[in-house]
Amino acid sequence: QSALTQPPSASGSPGQSVTISCTGTSSDVGGYNYVAWYQQYPGKAPKLMIYEVSKRPSGVPDRFSGSKSGNTASLTVSGLQAEDEADYYCSSYAGSNNLYVFGTGTKVTVL
Amino acid sequence: QVQLQESGPGLVKPSETLSLTCAVSGFSISSGYYWGWIRQPPGKGLEWIGSIYHSGSTYYNPSLKSRVTISVDTSKNQFSLKLSSVTAADTAVYYCARGKTAAVDYWGQGTLVTVSS
Repeated sequence: QSALTQPPSASGSPGQSVTISCTGTSSDVGGYNYVAWYQQYPGKAPKLMIYEVSKRPSGVPDRFSGSKSGNTASLTVSGLQAEDEADYYCSSYAGSNNLYVFGTGTKVTVL
Repeated sequence: QVQLQESGPGLVKPSETLSLTCAVSGFSISSGYYWGWIRQPPGKGLEWIGSIYHSGSTYYNPSLKSRVTISVDTSKNQFSLKLSSVTAADTAVYYCARGKTAAVDYWGQGTLVTVSS
């Protein structure tokens, strides 16, 4: 099972929007509505930002939204803030023998 | 508030077995969810190692399955990881975590394990 493909980097100015893609296959992203997104600051544990493609856990700002089309999922951060500068990882369910497949990670820079 | 805390040796010799324990507070492991381990080599991405369901069923990353054992001790509300025949490639920050399908909602702080002689 290969890692899901994410762009290495993305950037935007404060107030703008940035969208990160997460590309898999029909065996993972495309096959289930179980995609999650995590935010990770250096030296810290990841934090769940989106689950089941588009649901937000309590406490996550509604600036963060998720979607999916075919084998590609996306995370959009609207109204970028300096605190959004972090690494972002996607994950997907890939069957009972592969509960979590992670993406390669994207570093988001706020210009 | 659910809290997870990893413990175990920070240095393991090549070919030996890496052993870590995760103590859970604020939630009973027996009540549900998947409990598992995820690692992150320095400067690299996340890799799921394996999980155990509250019922005791285990699920392992196919690429690590032959070397991994995850077990749970409900009396102590903790679960453990054993990774055998380690090499330098197993050097990573190891996180214990609580999850549901494809979503990990609580993470430990992580513990760095270095494989070196």
